[in-house]
Amino acid sequence: EVQLVESGGGVVRPGGSLRLSCAASGFTFDDFGMSWVRQVPGKGLEWVSGINWNGENTDYADSVKGRFTISRDNAKNSLYLQMSSLTAEDTALYHCARGGSSPIPNWFDPWGQGTLVTVSS
Amino acid sequence: DILMTQSPSSLSASVGDRVTITCRASQSISSFLNWYQQRPGKAPKLLIYDVSRWQSGVPSRFSGSGSGTDFTLTISSLQPEDFATYFCQQSYSIPYTFGQGTKLEIK
Repeated sequence: EVQLVESGGGVVRPGGSLRLSCAASGFTFDDFGMSWVRQVPGKGLEWVSGINWNGENTDYADSVKGRFTISRDNAKNSLYLQMSSLTAEDTALYHCARGGSSPIPNWFDPWGQGTLVTVSS
Repeated sequence: DILMTQSPSSLSASVGDRVTITCRASQSISSFLNWYQQRPGKAPKLLIYDVSRWQSGVPSRFSGSGSGTDFTLTISSLQPEDFATYFCQQSYSIPYTFGQGTKLEIK
């Protein structure tokens, strides 16, 4: 069974940093690109970042560019999102999702349950 | 960025009804359109990709159509487990963007 389990969320002050992790299992991790998508509870979905299978191609939403860094460790079947200079607008549930083989994955399936990031003073 | 607009935002229907949800893109996205279902408290699930292709395991009562800027998701005969929120997503260009969602409720 394909599983994605996020961790690392929590409460952080504005301007702070946080590193999210996503542990993947049940599939050959380095066959797939991966993404982070966030959702404000009760609201819509926002694509945050994507990475190709070997980590050589990455891209970001303008809202996080320069502040967030996506990476992966294929030996550990893990995806990461390093977040810095956090603001209240970054408060959301962060999902990792498996994607396709395009340079930056453009579909998302399956998704993890998410890890909640709250930016508050 | 490509703006994705869904209609309606919410919809009440009964088991057995046929329902259609519309998604409009602010510019042409060819056939790069995906649909997701999100049940309460759960992560989104990919239903249909590239306008009309079923993801593995998705019942055939779900179908998608359209091209260019206008797309539809149709559920031919609603089942109790279909009451959820549905999102469209354009996969044409970065940043990938989602519609605001259509909440399908039981009448």
